[in-house]
Amino acid sequence: EPEVTQTPSHQVTQMGQEVILRCVPISNHLYFYWYRQILGQKVEFLVSFYNNEISEKSEIFDDQFSVERPDGSNFTLKIRSTKLEDSAMYFCANPYVPGGNYGYTFGSGTRLTVV
Amino acid sequence: AQTVTQSQPEMSVQEAETVTLSCTYDTSESDYYLFWYKQPPSRQMILVIRQEAYKQQNATENRFSVNFQKAAKSFSLKISDSQLGDAAMYFCARSETSGSRLTFGEGTQLTVNP
Repeated sequence: EPEVTQTPSHQVTQMGQEVILRCVPISNHLYFYWYRQILGQKVEFLVSFYNNEISEKSEIFDDQFSVERPDGSNFTLKIRSTKLEDSAMYFCANPYVPGGNYGYTFGSGTRLTVV
Repeated sequence: AQTVTQSQPEMSVQEAETVTLSCTYDTSESDYYLFWYKQPPSRQMILVIRQEAYKQQNATENRFSVNFQKAAKSFSLKISDSQLGDAAMYFCARSETSGSRLTFGEGTQLTVNP
C-alpha cells in the first residue's frame, strides 16, 4: 500500500540551530503538503508544493522556512534558525489515498523539540 | 477566513454504544470536500471517512457514518458500536478541491469507557 515516509521520527535541537525534516512522498505524485501541529492544538497548513515549486503558503511559513526537492523522490522542510515555538509535530502529506479516491495520506510525522 | 469548528473539545462513550461528534464549517463554495481524521496517541493522522459536498447521500464506512447537512454547513460523525480502539482525537477537515489544502477543526478528544 502506498505510504508517505518521514524522517526522523523525533528531533531535538537547540534554539537557533537549523533543522531539516525529510519526507518521501507516494511515488510519482506531484502535489505535496507540509502541516504543523503544536502539541494540543489543531493541524495547520504550512506550504504546498507542486511540480517542484511552491504553489501556496500560509502566514506561518515565513522566511525562516524553506522547502526543497533535492532529488527526484525526497522533499525537505528546513527551518533556518529554530525558536522555542517551532516545537511541534510536522507532517507531510499527499492528496492521494489507496483505491484512487480523493483524500490525503499523511506521513507518521516528525516531532521537533526545540530546547 | 473559511473556518472549521468543532464545538466539543471532549466526548466520552461507553463501549458498544453510539457517539456523535459535531463539526460545522464556513465556505462560500458550492462544491468542496469534507473529511474526518483520527489521531491516536501515536499522533499518526488516519483518514476515517470523506464526503463530497455535491453528493447528497451520507458517506458510510463500516461503523462510521456522517450526517451531512449542506444548507446548515454541518458535518457530524457517528461512531456505532464504539470500541476501545476508537479512543483518539478526531479532527474534522475541509478542502475546496480534491487536491487543495486542508483546513482543520480544533479536534474532539474521544474517550471510550469499558
